[in-house]
Amino acid sequence: DIQMTQSPSSLSASVGDRVTITCQASQDISDFLNWYQQKPGKAPELLIYDASNLERGVPSRFSGSGSGTHFTFTISSLQPEDFGTYYCQQYDFLPYTFGQGTRLESK
Amino acid sequence: QVQLQESGPGLLKPSETLSLTCTVSGGSIRSYYWSWIRQPPGKGLEWIGYIYYSGTTNHNPSLKSRVTISVDMSRNQFSLNLRSVTAADTAIYYCAREYGDARHDYGGIIDYWGQGTMVTVSS
Repeated sequence: DIQMTQSPSSLSASVGDRVTITCQASQDISDFLNWYQQKPGKAPELLIYDASNLERGVPSRFSGSGSGTHFTFTISSLQPEDFGTYYCQQYDFLPYTFGQGTRLESK
Repeated sequence: QVQLQESGPGLLKPSETLSLTCTVSGGSIRSYYWSWIRQPPGKGLEWIGYIYYSGTTNHNPSLKSRVTISVDMSRNQFSLNLRSVTAADTAIYYCAREYGDARHDYGGIIDYWGQGTMVTVSS
């Protein structure tokens, strides 16, 4: 299986901060990489697909980049509703695999 | 707006079979991949498997041959059976919709999720 490693595992930030999360794949996955946000007690929500495409209805402060094995997810100006856990997921190879998650907390 | 709702027992004993159903509303089950994903309490996400509306399935080899996923197009539902459960199968189970990139012959982009249902395995 493809191993997806996110960093950091947790992050404290303030409203207005620029936040960056990275995801490393154990082998080349081209751009078959998605990002999800999960809030406590809720299902994950798709934010970014194919590494850099913004899902419909998702605010433009969210963005993604990268290809191959190294990917980056950025929130340009953190808003109060953005706290939660973020996951990357590859789907270049079956089975799909997720990163371990990055918990974004208020500083 | 597509909505998914899981249903099924929340408590099982070891060695029993977990059976969950996902009802899809607000859209047809046709032309998409329909999957199950689980999340142990306080942990990350694990993809269990999918079924295409035509009946083609694929599942995570980590679950060996314990998984069966089926679809009932007449009811706009799909189902998960997981046999011989143990405490390690305790998790929130989500049903979800996937669609794929044209470069693959399967899904992978998970755009709609059910709210999830907690399943506990305990004697």
